[in-house]
Amino acid sequence: DTEVTQTPKHLVMGMTNKKSLKCEQHMGHRAMYWYKQKAKKPPELMFVYSYEKLSINESVPSRFSPECPNSSLLNLHLHALQPEDSALYLCASSQPDRGSTDTQYFGPGTRLTVL
Amino acid sequence: DAKTTQPNSMESNEEEPVHLPCNHSTISGTDYIHWYRQLPSQGPEYVIHGLTSNVNNRMASLAIAEDRKSSTLILHRATLRDAAVYYCILRVLIAGGTSYGKLTFGQGTILTVHP
Repeated sequence: DTEVTQTPKHLVMGMTNKKSLKCEQHMGHRAMYWYKQKAKKPPELMFVYSYEKLSINESVPSRFSPECPNSSLLNLHLHALQPEDSALYLCASSQPDRGSTDTQYFGPGTRLTVL
Repeated sequence: DAKTTQPNSMESNEEEPVHLPCNHSTISGTDYIHWYRQLPSQGPEYVIHGLTSNVNNRMASLAIAEDRKSSTLILHRATLRDAAVYYCILRVLIAGGTSYGKLTFGQGTILTVHP
């Protein structure tokens, strides 16, 4: 099974709401990623977790709070977002490999709209 | 971050070969060249990767210039299902004893395939 699942598929939230995005994989991968993708733009890396520890935060505002409760799950907690945060949020996972083959497997994304 | 440059768009006819070019003049010796594609309404999908030698897999071939400053993704017989955005990416190994790479997506090439 090479599937990464993300829920919900779509999310509409107000600027004062708190919501969470969920990502799950059962491939035994120990690296997990959050990306943000604006319309007609490439994905941009936000966070990387390696072995359930946060290892990269690409200077993401604190209104985005990632969490990795176990090796299969990755959450992104959202609070006090701005309309410009509306985007497709993609989750990915890979098996860490110092060689070249840590292929990242992406989920279909959550389409977030902030009103 | 290491950067790649690709044409904004390319067109092809079904069942004809497609050559998608990519320039990466700032590539360093340990950077791998990865290609991903993103079909409409989906997350990115791994296509192929290489370091120095040309590579083939069931999806495509990757031709890497001798100086590694450019590469070409080759789809041998384009189908309508190959219509997607193709991203050429330099995978940079994360420093500090980690064993996974960071993908920095370029702008990508929109491939249109005509029946």
